[in-house]
Amino acid sequence: SQQGEEDPQALSIQEGENATMNCSYKTSINNLQWYRQNSGRGLVHLILIRSNEREKHSGRLRVTLDTSKKSSSLLITASRAADTASYFCATAGAGSYQLTFGKGTKLSVIP
Amino acid sequence: EAQVTQNPRYLITVTGKKLTVTCSQNMNHEYMSWYRQDPGLGLRQIYYSMNVEVTDKGDVPEGYKVSRKEKRNFPLILESPSPNQTSLYFCASSLYAPGTGVYEQYFGPGTRLTVT
Repeated sequence: SQQGEEDPQALSIQEGENATMNCSYKTSINNLQWYRQNSGRGLVHLILIRSNEREKHSGRLRVTLDTSKKSSSLLITASRAADTASYFCATAGAGSYQLTFGKGTKLSVIP
Repeated sequence: EAQVTQNPRYLITVTGKKLTVTCSQNMNHEYMSWYRQDPGLGLRQIYYSMNVEVTDKGDVPEGYKVSRKEKRNFPLILESPSPNQTSLYFCASSLYAPGTGVYEQYFGPGTRLTVT
């Protein structure tokens, strides 16, 4: 079943601006992960945040998690043309053996 | 280099002709999984395996089979492919800890399958 839902579906920004993508989910989780996919290629893991964490940073990426609202956000600061890709959130459910992906946000960064 | 490999990368076949897509990982991961990706539907899990000889259905298992005889390999079998199985397929592997859930997954490059 599709758990994560990203918002917006598509986002277009100028190089240098920040990009924010949101993910909402429905059931309790062990962790939430964000992935990037360049067109037609395999997904690449970006960051994992556990259910007892509220914020995590990795380079220009900042992820927040609000378990009370069942939502997460991914912020990419000072975006570059190379950040153009689709971004997916995925949830690892409590007691589940599955990682469930959302439908993704397509980010376009215009040089 | 740590990686997940899939073969073939591209395949065009006809309805009903059995095919196998191979997947292999060199990271000694317990957990392996197959997904299909379709426009507007995102990634959907087909099957997963938590270790050798342990497999289970994902969200869209109909028309697919898998096996896990060795830890590194997790082939996807389509016994009688149909046009609605035309899709982009990804294999992935990861560590897994009971009670903690699935960790970050490493994805293969994908197999683009067309069934006519």
